[in-house]
Amino acid sequence: GDSVTQMEGPVTLSEEACLTINCTYTATGYPSLFWYVQYPGEGLQLLLKATKADDKGSNKGFEATYRKETTSFHLEKGSVQVSDSAVYFCALTDTNNAGNMLTFGGGTRLMVKP
Amino acid sequence: NAGVTQTPKFRVLKTGQSMTLLCAQDMNHEYMYWYRQDPGMGLRLIHYSVGEGTTAKGEVPDGYNVSRLKKQNFLLGLESAAPSQTSVYFCASNNRGPTNQPQHFGDGTRLSIL
Repeated sequence: GDSVTQMEGPVTLSEEACLTINCTYTATGYPSLFWYVQYPGEGLQLLLKATKADDKGSNKGFEATYRKETTSFHLEKGSVQVSDSAVYFCALTDTNNAGNMLTFGGGTRLMVKP
Repeated sequence: NAGVTQTPKFRVLKTGQSMTLLCAQDMNHEYMYWYRQDPGMGLRLIHYSVGEGTTAKGEVPDGYNVSRLKKQNFLLGLESAAPSQTSVYFCASNNRGPTNQPQHFGDGTRLSIL
């Protein structure tokens, strides 16, 4: 079956530091890849997505590139802010999935200190 | 601009009690989902629905039942609550179509079973 593995947290950074959160996946079909963000007390929001190999998703200064050869979709940001403190989830949906169901990684908590 | 609305937001139950969580979406989405979120495990799919009157099991369906009598509503029931069902529950919805469409999430229901 499909699976998503992401680095465990928490990740603690100082403001303006560079961020990388690793995500790798296994899939039986041709997956679409997503990063979702969860701010404290809220539901998940889509951060960015990529639908085919070599696509780069970007939003709010975050970006991730769909790497089929390494089955990875690492999240990066060049300069984090305190407001980026949240839990980040990597997820996929697969083409052999009739209900467009998401498979999630375990989540990575990011804490940014001023 | 409601999107996906979950009620209640918080609930405390005693072991053996029953309750129903309500999810309502106003985006005319065909697909709806119930997830549970537990520390370090990401989100796991409980049940889902691909249309009015249809439901299907997800990864962790035991102890839960669901109904989709109206397209906009998806109910999650606990017939006899157990402490292992203490979790945060999220509802989501999505359009029928390509797998690259993101799911839209509610803000969650925090449920504690004593």
